[in-house]
Amino acid sequence: EADIYQTPRYLVIGTGKKITLECSQTMGHDKMYWYQQDPGMELHLIHYSYGVNSTEKGDLSSESTVSRIRTEHFPLTLESARPSHTSQYLCATRGGETQYFGPGTRLLVL
Amino acid sequence: KQEVTQIPAALSVPEGENLVLNCSFTDSAIYNLQWFRQDPGKGLTSLLLIQSSQREQTSGRLNASLDKSSGRSTLYIAASQPGDSATYLCAVEDGDKLIFGTGTRLQVFP
Repeated sequence: EADIYQTPRYLVIGTGKKITLECSQTMGHDKMYWYQQDPGMELHLIHYSYGVNSTEKGDLSSESTVSRIRTEHFPLTLESARPSHTSQYLCATRGGETQYFGPGTRLLVL
Repeated sequence: KQEVTQIPAALSVPEGENLVLNCSFTDSAIYNLQWFRQDPGKGLTSLLLIQSSQREQTSGRLNASLDKSSGRSTLYIAASQPGDSATYLCAVEDGDKLIFGTGTRLQVFP
């Protein structure tokens, strides 16, 4: 089973602040993903990576950016948070044909 | 564009009942289909993965079937328990990405 960690788990922040959501994994998986999930809605892929120095935009347009400098880490950054960014953000890795998910970060932008 | 639909959106049943959750998808050219469980405020846990060449997969009290030609999958839960209460999500793999349905919120009461 993959170990995937996301910090913070909950974040309340004011409009205009820069934030970084951390995602780390200990399984050495190359493929990593970020999903956004609004309450009661489906997950939407916003970013993914096939390995170090690889990042791609997902199906849902997002103002966030990601980086993949190390295999273990796949942080997501919002340069200027807005209330429309309020959502749950889920990080995942892929091992074989299965995706493994972290516990998520619930973000509230006031 | 692939679309995934889950019916019903919510289900409340007494303990011990057998139940069926439905998932349909519009494009039958899928690589595989996965069923996930999501507990409130948490990430997703993979339950079953069905390859496109397979018809069903079983794990304990769970059985998932796949009919690619009709664009349907069902998740059968036998002898439901209160601990089964969660949201169940199906996702089809399109290329290297998962496309999720909106889920079925299941409540099993004692």
